[in-house]
Amino acid sequence: DIQMTQSPSSLSASVGDRVTITCQASQDISNSLNWYQQKPGKAPKVLIYDASNLETGVPSRFSGSGSGTDFTFTINSLEPEDIATYYCQQYDDFPPITFGQGTRLEIK
Amino acid sequence: QLVESGGGLAQPGGSLRLSCAASGFPFSSYEMNWVRQAPGKGLEWISYISSGGSTIYYAESVKGRFTISRDNAKNTVSLQMNSLRAEDTAVYYCARGGIVATILYWGQGTLVTVSS
Repeated sequence: DIQMTQSPSSLSASVGDRVTITCQASQDISNSLNWYQQKPGKAPKVLIYDASNLETGVPSRFSGSGSGTDFTFTINSLEPEDIATYYCQQYDDFPPITFGQGTRLEIK
Repeated sequence: QLVESGGGLAQPGGSLRLSCAASGFPFSSYEMNWVRQAPGKGLEWISYISSGGSTIYYAESVKGRFTISRDNAKNTVSLQMNSLRAEDTAVYYCARGGIVATILYWGQGTLVTVSS
């Protein structure tokens, strides 16, 4: 199974900051990676698909990059409503679908 | 839209059946999954069924205990959970997507608690 190592596990940032989360796959997954946002008590919601494509309706301050084994998720200019836990997910080697451990984002 | 139901309290060794009702899209054309999230923990994929129901996969953690099925006439996917353990306590989400449509779209989840 492909392991997804996500870091950091938590971070605290100020409104307006640029926030970066990384996800590393245990083997080459090309661009087969999605990023999800999960707010407390809610289901996950896709933000970025195929590593770098912005889901329709998602604000442009969210972006993704990378291919192969190393991926980056960025929020440019953090907003208060971005408080959530963020997960990467690979679909290159299925089954199983595997997720990163999650990054809990808090506002300073 | 995906709406899960059937969660609740079950005893260790007991059974529970979850259902997910789909609407607003051509259900029979889409793969479906069940993904769970233990309290305060991350996401764990547990089962997949292809659009026609012919291909099914399970995570090792539930293989032999859980059974996924779908009824394309009724736009529902189900998860029969037997021999439940305390570690099966989680919110269970049904999610559309998989191998062909690789983005997961999620229901709101249903809580399963396994406790005596």
